[in-house]
This record gives sequence, C-alpha cells and structure tokens, in this order.
Amino acid sequence: QKEVEQDPGPLSVPEGAIVSLNCTYSNSAFQYFMWYRQYSRKGPELLMYTYSSGNKEDGRFTAQVDKSSKYISLFIRDSQPSDSATYLCAISQSAGNMLTFGGGTRLMVKP
Amino acid sequence: GAVVSQHPSWVICKSGTSVKIECRSLDFQATTMFWYRQFPKQSLMLMATSNEGSKATYEQGVEKDKFLINHASLTLSTLTVTSAHPEDSSFYICSARVDTNSPLHFGNGTRLTVT
Repeated sequence: QKEVEQDPGPLSVPEGAIVSLNCTYSNSAFQYFMWYRQYSRKGPELLMYTYSSGNKEDGRFTAQVDKSSKYISLFIRDSQPSDSATYLCAISQSAGNMLTFGGGTRLMVKP
Repeated sequence: GAVVSQHPSWVICKSGTSVKIECRSLDFQATTMFWYRQFPKQSLMLMATSNEGSKATYEQGVEKDKFLINHASLTLSTLTVTSAHPEDSSFYICSARVDTNSPLHFGNGTRLTVT
C-alpha cells in the first residue's frame, strides 16, 4: 500500500463547476498537509498548507483535513480553464521536511 | 517571497557527458534543499537532501557518484548528472524552505534530454 493514494484522473469538468480532489494516507504520524498545482513542464506551485484537522480557505480554494479518517481534500469553487493542471497532495511529519507526494490528479476545466 | 530559481530550464546533452543544474533561493537563505526527479505523468520522487556545508543524503537507489550534489552556500545547490545516459532523461526539480516550519517551495524544473 502506498503511503499516499490519489486518484490520477483525468478529471474533466465544465467551467464554473466545483471540483473536489482527494487523497488518503496511511501513516498517522503525518501532521502537515499541502496541495501543489503543477502546470505542464513547470515545477509545483504551493497552493495550500495546513497542519490541523478542519477547513482552510483561500479565495476559491478550500483545503480540508480529516485526521481521524486520514483523508484530505481540496475544493475549487467556480473552476476556470486556467485551473487545468495536475494537482498534487503532499504530506509530511513537519512542514519543511521531506514530502511524500500523491501521484497527482490531472484536472481539465472546459470552457 | 520564497522564490526558488532553477537553471537551465532545459538541456540536451550527448550520452557520456556531464550536466550541471543550479538551484538558487532568491530571497531567503536555505540550509537545506531537496532534489526531486519526475518522469512523464508520474509524481515527484525524492532523490536527495542537500545540506549546506555537508554531504548530501541520498535516497535508496539513487547513485551518489552519478548524481553529485554540492551545496556550497546558503543560496545555491547544484546537481551534476555525470556520464549521462538516455535513461537519465527526466524532469529534475529542486525545492527549498525558508525555515523548518515553512512548507517547501519548488523551482520550475530542468528538463534533461540525453541523446
């Protein structure tokens, strides 16, 4: 079993839809949770990071962590074609230490 | 803030030659940088942890004599792929953090093609 599982997609949605991206993890020692967005041929860009259960909102993005279920989510409201990218969840035992990445979900938002 | 710059963004080299990739933290000092490799449609795989002033720590299965890492200053780490072969063709990405309580920020990656 991989430490972090993420549905690879691709996930195709119409513009304006609410997108839900999810990851599950197996090690309860993980305490920090991050979401990165990666455009083709570019490095990952940090979107959200949190270290506690619950929700964290930033503009159209909401990160949700459920430590009891070992389940994390990223919601994108009012999705735009420019949101089309691969989204990677990443977890760590501390914020700046080695990250364990999910496999990434490719999202396509159609105009 | 927290900008990580990587150079070059792409490079093509002949089999048997060596290639150096630079990773710089532009607006902060980074005692630790991380080097990742990413194959097409796959996630990032950690290769090594680069520590300023000391030897790098390599992940299992990564040849330290092939992937030479030097972290000579608080703002620069380099990865040299020695005697490159076509199977070394990949997307190499570095990352750094402002401090141990901050998340990692990534460079824009270097696409290496070995012919």
